[in-house]
Amino acid sequence: NAGVTQTPKFQVLKTGQSMTLQCAQDMNHNSMYWYRQDPGMGLRLIYYSASEGTTDKGEVPNGYNVSRLNKREFSLRLESAAPSQTSVYFCASNFRGDEQYFGPGTRLTVT
Amino acid sequence: GENVEQHPSTLSVQEGDSAVIKCTYSDSASNYFPWYKQELGKRPQLIIDIRSNVGEKKDQRIAVTLNKTAKHFSLHITETQPEDSAVYFCAASLAGNQFYFGTGTSLTVIP
Repeated sequence: NAGVTQTPKFQVLKTGQSMTLQCAQDMNHNSMYWYRQDPGMGLRLIYYSASEGTTDKGEVPNGYNVSRLNKREFSLRLESAAPSQTSVYFCASNFRGDEQYFGPGTRLTVT
Repeated sequence: GENVEQHPSTLSVQEGDSAVIKCTYSDSASNYFPWYKQELGKRPQLIIDIRSNVGEKKDQRIAVTLNKTAKHFSLHITETQPEDSAVYFCAASLAGNQFYFGTGTSLTVIP
C-alpha cells in the first residue's frame, strides 16, 4: 500500500497563477482532508470531504477550491495564487472518528 | 468552532528526563484527542490517541491523560532519548470530521 500520496512535492508559482494539488489514498478511507502548515501556526484545515460526493469548508477556505473526484482522490485548487498562500500543504485521510494518515506534503512558494 | 491551545512552544530536556506537553480545548463535545510527532521535513505521524470515555492511556514510554471537566489533555514522555526530538502536535476532534490542531511543541532532547 502506498498510503496517502501527493503531487507535486515542490512548486513555485507567480502571483495570479493557478494550480491544482493532487492527493490519492489507497486505504479505502471515507474521509479526506486538506491542511496548510505555516511556522508557529500548526496545521489548519482548509477543506474536508466526509464521503465521496461531499465537501465542506474548514478554518481557512478562502482562496481555495476542492474536488472529491472519487473515493480515492481529493484535489485542491488555487485559482489565483497569492504570496499569503506560500505554505506546506498536507493531504490526509481516515475512517470517520479514527486516526488520520498524512501524505508527504507539497511545499508551495508564491512569488 | 473548537480552539486548541498548546504549551509550551519549545521544550528542552536532558536525555533520560521526562517531558510533558499540555493542551486545552474549548468545545466540551470534542471526543477524540490524537497526538502527532513530526520530524523535520516529514509528515505528521500519530504516536498516541485517547477518546473521551478514557482518562489515561499508555504505550511504553508515552502516555496521555485527559481531564474532561477541565478540558485539558497532556502528553507524557518518560526516559527521553535523542530520537524523541521533534515537533509534537495535539489535536481535538468532534465526531471525527473536523480536527483542530495545537500550534506545536518543539522538543529537544540533549544527550
